[in-house]
Amino acid sequence: AQTVTQSQPEMSVQEAETVTLSCTYDTSESNYYLFWYKQPPSRQMILVIRQEAYKQQNATENRFSVNFQKAAKSFSLKISDSQLGDTAMYFCAFMGAYNNDMRFGAGTRLTVKP
Amino acid sequence: KAGVTQTPRYLIKTRGQQVTLSCSPISGHRSVSWYQQTPGQGLQFLFEYFSETQRNKGNFPGRFSGRQFSNSRSEMNVSTLELGDSALYLCASSPRTSGTDTQYFGPGTRLTVL
Repeated sequence: AQTVTQSQPEMSVQEAETVTLSCTYDTSESNYYLFWYKQPPSRQMILVIRQEAYKQQNATENRFSVNFQKAAKSFSLKISDSQLGDTAMYFCAFMGAYNNDMRFGAGTRLTVKP
Repeated sequence: KAGVTQTPRYLIKTRGQQVTLSCSPISGHRSVSWYQQTPGQGLQFLFEYFSETQRNKGNFPGRFSGRQFSNSRSEMNVSTLELGDSALYLCASSPRTSGTDTQYFGPGTRLTVL
């Protein structure tokens, strides 16, 4: 069974600085997707970034980028130029290529301080 | 396009009752997945429906069931409610086509069981 581990329950960062959230996963599949979602206090889950396992190039979306290390089964999220609106719970998620059974980590609560 | 909508947003029930939650996916999306989010267990996959058929099911008792209609709208039902069923229930839709299986979440239904 696939498992997703986020080892940092809470993190904080000063506004405009850079922060990295860690995620590791365990799977025997060779093709899969990895995601980072954010859940602000409103509770709406918002997609931050997605990575296909077969792509070697790390995904980027504006201030958000990932460091995908397939062999190490590591998928960290880097947030550059942190903004107050980035304050949220961040969930790392794994999904196999052939089913929509998404597995989530326990989440990292990120606080951006002014 | 309009996002995923869920109704109702809040619900209060008593033990032993049953409840039905509704989810309307993004237009054109044929897959709807349901998740339960609790402080203790985190985000857990309930089931996925695609083309009116249940494709995957998580590890939940038979009291949790669902269905999908021809317009892709989905409902989930919980019978004989227990206190432990209090949770945020999230639904997510996706196109369910190869290479584009990103799930987009609705705002959730907050169920409180008294």
